[in-house]
This record gives sequence, C-alpha cells and structure tokens, in this order.
Amino acid sequence: EPEVTQTPSHQVTQMGQEVILRCVPISNHLYFYWYRQILGQKVEFLVSFYNNEISEKSEIFDDRFSVERPDGSNFTLKIRSTKLEDSAMYFCAIGPATYEQYFGPGTRLTVT
Amino acid sequence: AQKITQTQPGMFVQEKEAVTLDCTYDTSDQSYGLFWYKQPSSGEMIFLIYQGSYDEQNATEGRYSLNFQKARKSANLVISASQLGDSAMYFCAMREVNSGSARQLTFGSGTQLTVLP
Repeated sequence: EPEVTQTPSHQVTQMGQEVILRCVPISNHLYFYWYRQILGQKVEFLVSFYNNEISEKSEIFDDRFSVERPDGSNFTLKIRSTKLEDSAMYFCAIGPATYEQYFGPGTRLTVT
Repeated sequence: AQKITQTQPGMFVQEKEAVTLDCTYDTSDQSYGLFWYKQPSSGEMIFLIYQGSYDEQNATEGRYSLNFQKARKSANLVISASQLGDSAMYFCAMREVNSGSARQLTFGSGTQLTVLP
C-alpha cells in the first residue's frame, strides 16, 4: 500500500491568515486529491490534480484555495484569508492509474 | 439527492460476531467503483475494500467482504468475527468513472461501529 505523509499534523491559525498544508507521497503517483472533513461530518472532495494541473474542483474550492506541486514531489494546499469555517481535517489522497485511493493521516486545521 | 446513503448512524456488535454495515448508492453511470474506509478515533482514513460495478463476484479482503447487489444499488460491508479494534467510523464511498472524470470519491455520512467485549 502506498504511503502518504502530511505535515503539519495540526495547524492553528488566526482568521485571515494564510496556511499551507503539505502532502508527500512516498512514491510517484498520477492522481492527487484533497478532501476535507469538518468535525463529525462526512468527507468532502475539494480538488483533484493530474499531470500537474487541476482536473476538477468542488464548489468548496473557492478562489481562496490553490494547489501546486512545487518541486515534483510535495503536493500543497494553500488557503488564503482563512475563515472560521475552514476549520476541519484536511486529507491528501493519492491514486495510481487503477482504482485505489490512499489517504494520508490528515492535517487538523483550527482557525481561531 | 444523496449519492451515497448510510442509514445506520451507529451500530453495536458483540466481539466475535459478524456485522453488516449498510450502504446504498445512486448513479446513472454504468461504470463505477464502491469503496469502504475505516476511520478510527485517531482520524486516519484506512482503505478496506473495493468493488467495481462490472465485477461479478463480491469483493473480499480478509475479514471484510462486500455484499454487492447491483439491481438494488447496495454495497453493504460485512465484517466477520468482529474484534475490539474494529470499533471505528466506517465510510462508504463511490467513484463514478465518466469520460474525463478525475475519479474523486463521494462519501456517505458514515456508521459508527462499536464492538462490545
């Protein structure tokens, strides 16, 4: 099973600040995804990334959000002008060309 | 309309017994995939099992099996010989494989399973 690490494990930020969440897949994969899970709720899709560009994004992924793969390995999610409602667990997932999606351990973002 | 419905917010099972967690789905696609993930209290999402819409046999992975009934659009997870470590939230998810789809997953609301000693 592919391994994915995410840093930091927990991020606390003040409303209005910018945060960068990082995902590091151990091996090369084609597809990258970000999901979020507000406490006690279902997991929601944010964005998918394939061949170094966004493939699809949900309505949650507004213009405050961006993703990139700056060095060909790390995969980052940036949230600008954070809001209280951005507080959630953010999961990175990776997928090979077949069907599996493997999730990282998540980053818990708390916006105060 | 909900694409994935999990009607059991909470379930209890006695240790060593089998338990079935329900999942129904809604799609007009002919090609799709169904997944189950386990989320323990520590928060990580653990992939358990996958069923493709064209797979004729039910998927099995160790103590996990997926009872796939395509006509009823259900994909129930069966856990045999429950263990205390199975206590967790369980999510059913679907991927609709459309042309150009990036294969993102749509999740249900989850079922909290508690295994009793």
